Amino acid sequence: EIQLVESGGGLVKPGGSLRLSCAASGFTFSSFNINWVRQAPGKGLEWVSSVGGGGGYIYYAESVKGRFSISRDNAKKSVYLQMHSLTAEDTGVYYCARGGDYPEAYFDFWGQGMLVTVSS
Amino acid sequence: NFMLTQAHSVSGSPGKTVTISCTRSSGSIASTYVHWYQQRPGSSPRILIYEDKKRSPGVPDRFSGSIDRSSNSASLSISGLKTEDEADYYCQSYDGWNHWVFGGGTKLTVL
Repeated sequence: EIQLVESGGGLVKPGGSLRLSCAASGFTFSSFNINWVRQAPGKGLEWVSSVGGGGGYIYYAESVKGRFSISRDNAKKSVYLQMHSLTAEDTGVYYCARGGDYPEAYFDFWGQGMLVTVSS
Repeated sequence: NFMLTQAHSVSGSPGKTVTISCTRSSGSIASTYVHWYQQRPGSSPRILIYEDKKRSPGVPDRFSGSIDRSSNSASLSISGLKTEDEADYYCQSYDGWNHWVFGGGTKLTVL
């Protein structure tokens, strides 16, 4: 069974940092890109970042470029999202999602999501 | 860059058919694939339709996708509506610049 499990969310003050993790199982991890997609409370989905299977391809949404950093450890079957300079606009549920081949990837499996709250 | 625009809400009666549209703001709708997701309340999104019209495994054939070049839009049709179809539906596409774009989502109410 394919599973993606996020962890590391929580409450952080504006300007603070947080690191999310996504642990995968049930598929050949290194063969797939992994994405982070977020959803602000009561709002729609927003793609945040993507990392290719080998870790060599990395992409960010303009809204997080320069503040967020994505990485992966294929030996641990995990992807990480390091978030800095957080603002209230970064509040939301963060999902990791498996992607198909670049560039026209779609997201075929999703984690359960992890809530990040940026508030003083 | 382009935007994908969806109606905020749509409704239908059990057994009927509804269509949810997704209009691309610039560039041809046919130039990159459109994918559709369902998100039930309190749940993670689930892929329904990929590459314009292909059903994901396990998705009933009541769900179908299409694109219309004349209106520059993609559509998700749901026939034989069931109460369990009540959810938010999102379209998504690749913008050609290593970014992936979602529509704003359409809330389906089954009356």
